[in-house]
Amino acid sequence: AQSVTQPDIHITVSEGASLELRCNYSYGATPYLFWYVQSPGQGLQLLLKYFSGDTLVQGIKGFEAEFKRSQSSFNLRKPSVHWSDAAEYFCAVGAVDNYGQNFVFGPGTRLSVLP
Amino acid sequence: SQTIHQWPATLVQPVGSPLSLECTVEGTSNPNLYWYRQAAGRGLQLLFYSVGIGQISSEVPQNLSASRPQDRQFILSSKKLLLSDSGFYLCAWSDYSGANVLTFGAGSRLTVL
Repeated sequence: AQSVTQPDIHITVSEGASLELRCNYSYGATPYLFWYVQSPGQGLQLLLKYFSGDTLVQGIKGFEAEFKRSQSSFNLRKPSVHWSDAAEYFCAVGAVDNYGQNFVFGPGTRLSVLP
Repeated sequence: SQTIHQWPATLVQPVGSPLSLECTVEGTSNPNLYWYRQAAGRGLQLLFYSVGIGQISSEVPQNLSASRPQDRQFILSSKKLLLSDSGFYLCAWSDYSGANVLTFGAGSRLTVL
């Protein structure tokens, strides 16, 4: 079964600084990887996804992520953080089984942005 | 385009009372449907998922149940709520076409007193 770890529970950065959120997964085959963002009291919004091909994927709101198979990682990056980026970020891995697609989420990383 | 609706948005219920949360998807057919729970300050826990009408897979044994009476309708229920059932419940769907994304509803905040 697949699993996802996000080593950082809470990260604080200053507005305008760069950001990297870490994600490591465990899965026996090539995974489908996702990053979602959740604002307080809201549902989750998809930031970006990796299915195959180019290992550097671009997403919405200026985010990007890089798939590194050798490290089983899919870290999320943004060159310059905006105050509106403060939220909870979830990494997820998807796998297709006999019952459809199963998604497993990491515990999340809460991002705080200082003015 | 596809949309997902989830209601009620907030719910306060006494211990021992029943529960019904409803989720519907528009603009697609035969979606995979999911119920997740998010406890305060914690990640997402998959509760149930369904690949078709009447087909429900339970991931975690508990006093909750799910039903799918129609293709695009997914209901989360309980006969008697526990304090530990408090949390944020999220419905989601994905296309049954192999690799695809999970799209979430806005969530339902349940407080059991």
